[in-house]
Amino acid sequence: ETGVTQTPRHLVMGMTNKKSLKCEQHLGHNAMYWYKQSAKKPLELMFVYNFKEQTENNSVPSRFSPECPNSSHLFLHLHTLQPEDSALYLCASSTRTGAFGGYTFGSGTRLTVV
Amino acid sequence: QKEVEQDPGPLSVPEGAIVSLNCTYSNSAFQYFMWYRQYSRKGPELLMYTYSSGNKEDGRFTAQVDKSSKYISLFIRDSQPSDSATYLCATLDSNYQLIWGAGTKLIIKP
Repeated sequence: ETGVTQTPRHLVMGMTNKKSLKCEQHLGHNAMYWYKQSAKKPLELMFVYNFKEQTENNSVPSRFSPECPNSSHLFLHLHTLQPEDSALYLCASSTRTGAFGGYTFGSGTRLTVV
Repeated sequence: QKEVEQDPGPLSVPEGAIVSLNCTYSNSAFQYFMWYRQYSRKGPELLMYTYSSGNKEDGRFTAQVDKSSKYISLFIRDSQPSDSATYLCATLDSNYQLIWGAGTKLIIKP
């Protein structure tokens, strides 16, 4: 295990459902990130948290709602998603934002919206 | 124009071959360059990083940066089937956020 744990590994949800993705890190890192990974496209940064405070929201639709209750846990709440939101959602952590080379990723949640 | 361009492949080579993976970038101010490896059903993991121009070697892997042509490369010598993965290049922007290439899927055939 990489030190960053994501659950669930797979999720299938209807467009009217509400679900949450969970990320937990045991590395003592202070920054956490949500990324979206689609086939043959670069990783898309969605949200950044530094010391539990959201420092970046890359114009993500409001149907994605992040929550960071402490430096070890990060959630992504999902509601009324669209089929184009189907992708691999990756959580990452680092000692601090801007810590180049020091990102540790989880294995991701494979999301399918039907 | 994308800030980092990378051919998604797949690139298929026989075991033992030398592999060359490449990216181009648009902003000459970029200084830090990274290569991540992503196995199937796993998240990316940092493989190597370099600063500015030049080469960096780690075992069978060599990372190379040519700032004059804005070209970064990863070479794998004596490639093994276990090297089969997607390789992502990345660089840091002025806000120290990672800018990613699309990743190249590499297949090493036994």
